[in-house]
Formats: sequence, structure tokens, C-alpha cells
Amino acid sequence: AQKVTQAQTEISVVEKEDVTLDCVYETRDTTYYLFWYKQPPSGELVFLIRRNSFDEQNEISGRYSWNFQKSTSSFNFTITASQVVDSAVYFCALSEAKRYSTLTFGKGTMLLVSP
Amino acid sequence: DTGVSQDPRHKITKRGQNVTFRCDPISEHNRLYWYRQTLGQGPEFLTYFQNEAQLEKSRLLSDRFSAERPKGSFSTLEIQRTEQGDSAMYLCASRISYLSRRAYNSPLHFGNGTRLTVT
Repeated sequence: AQKVTQAQTEISVVEKEDVTLDCVYETRDTTYYLFWYKQPPSGELVFLIRRNSFDEQNEISGRYSWNFQKSTSSFNFTITASQVVDSAVYFCALSEAKRYSTLTFGKGTMLLVSP
Repeated sequence: DTGVSQDPRHKITKRGQNVTFRCDPISEHNRLYWYRQTLGQGPEFLTYFQNEAQLEKSRLLSDRFSAERPKGSFSTLEIQRTEQGDSAMYLCASRISYLSRRAYNSPLHFGNGTRLTVT
């Protein structure tokens, strides 16, 4: 069975601070995909990134960066110089390659960025 | 922007009533998914379609739930004899998936969801 744990329920920061959202996963498969989605108050889940289990390179996209470490089964997400618009619930998710269609989500981390 | 569209956005119903939700996926997407999200939780998979064929159903999908995608375009999710435990956000998602010389799986694109409240 697969599982995603986001231990941080809520994080509050002040604008321009850096913040890291933790994600730890469990799976028995050797081939799998990891995702991050953002859910603003409007409710829509916005896709941020997908990584496969064979690609451990860290990725940077603007103020966003992701650190994938298979040794610790973690896929952490860092926002640099946070902004008020970053306030949302962030979900980490996992899918196994043979069941790519089905995502297992963590419970999410609510990020509050105050001015 | 022709993203995934869901209707209605909100639905309040009394216990025991039937409700139906609609999802219009991104037009070229051949796969359509339904997820359910309760308060403080991540979304949970319910079912998915490839074109008009329903390929997988979660154990969460009780007999009171039925989903259809009659022409491989929009989909409906019906809940019969609603219960208070059905109160949740119902999310629809779509993606393109094809197997050819170069297999391709796009990530899921979600709609805004339908929030159901059963009183």
C-alpha cells in the first residue's frame, strides 16, 4: 500500500521569508511518480510539478524548488521569498507507474503568508 | 482558458434526496477522473473513464454512487439517497493518455469542484 505523509498541518510565515513544505512517502514499487499540487481558496487543484522515481535531480522554477531524496523517501518543496499569493493548501501526491491514474494524496499543508 | 469545468459549484440537499453533478473535461483529454475531498483531507480517488469506458472504481464508491460518460466527453456523477457522510467536495480531473511509439501520460488537471452539503 502507498502512503503520503505531510506532517505540517499549517505553516505561517511573513512575506519574503523562505518556507519548506515536507513530504514523506511510502511505496513498494520501484517505479512511481511524485506530484505537488496547490489548492487556493477557489478550490481548484493546480498542478505544480511531477517527478518520476528515476530522476532525483532537484528542480527549480522561479521561486519554487523541489528536493527529491529517495534515500529518505522525501520530496520537499521550498518557496523562496514567499508572497501573500502563495497562501494556499499544498498537497503532495504519489502514484505507482502501473496505476498512474490513481493518485494518493497527503492531507495537505496550509500555508499562510502574511504581509 | 478551457480548463475542466464542473457544475454546480455548490449543492445543498436534504438527506435521502438524489443529486447529480456534471463535469466537462478539457476537450482533447481522453481520460476523466472523479475524486472526493472531505474537510482537512487530501482528495481520494473514486473512479475514472477512458473515453466512455469506466475502467476502475474505488471501494469508496458505494452502490448509491454511479458515474457515466456516455459519449466520451462530459461526465455525470449521481448520488442516490444522500447521507450526511456524503458531504464533501467532489473534484473532476482529466488528462490525455495515449500509447503509441512514444507513450505519454500528462498530469491530472482538476476543476474547481462541486461542494455538496447534505443536511
